[in-house]
Amino acid sequence: EPEVTQTPSHQVTQMGQEVILRCVPISNHLYFYWYRQILGQKVEFLVSFYNNEISEKSEIFDDQFSVERPDGSNFTLKIRSTKLEDSAMYFCASSASGGAGTQYFGPGTRLTVL
Amino acid sequence: AQKITQTQPGMFVQEKEAVTLDCTYDTSDPSYGLFWYKQPSSGEMIFLIYQGSYDQQNATEGRYSLNFQKARKSANLVISASQLGDSAMYFCAMREEQTSYDKVIFGPGTSLSVIP
Repeated sequence: EPEVTQTPSHQVTQMGQEVILRCVPISNHLYFYWYRQILGQKVEFLVSFYNNEISEKSEIFDDQFSVERPDGSNFTLKIRSTKLEDSAMYFCASSASGGAGTQYFGPGTRLTVL
Repeated sequence: AQKITQTQPGMFVQEKEAVTLDCTYDTSDPSYGLFWYKQPSSGEMIFLIYQGSYDQQNATEGRYSLNFQKARKSANLVISASQLGDSAMYFCAMREEQTSYDKVIFGPGTSLSVIP
């Protein structure tokens, strides 16, 4: 069964460093998303991406964050200068359609900022 | 106002018994989708079941069923014949077709523990 994959599973970085989290969405999906979950808290929407551009972003997704689809399979989230409060689990998701369709999540990348 | 409410922070169920996890939602959007996801201790987010707001019948997927009561704005998850592997966090979530076209809004979750 096709699935969303994410690398790395765990990333440790120093405050102020740049990190890139990588995702490979399900191959025939057209809509891509990033969410984050701070330990013990709710899952929060960050950004959605369709047709090579951001379609929606939350207030969390400030200028420190960017997303890119560098080729036909990868979808990346870059955090330019990490802060302690960026420590969280980051989930990539994809869906075949927008609207009320199902989003399938990857296994997550646990980001720890020291 | 909370869009998704899960009033049970923690639940216990005996193995092989059925359990209902509560979820209520708040939306004025006429078209929306409701989801349940399972998050085991390993951290991944596993899609379980989907209910569309216009679906006439309650969704079922194996041992999972969704008790959808539109007028009450509730979408409870029923797990039949609980197994030890069902121990996890369970999140109720919603997508609104018009209001928040792209994002899934999650509830705070319910921690389910299955007792042997």
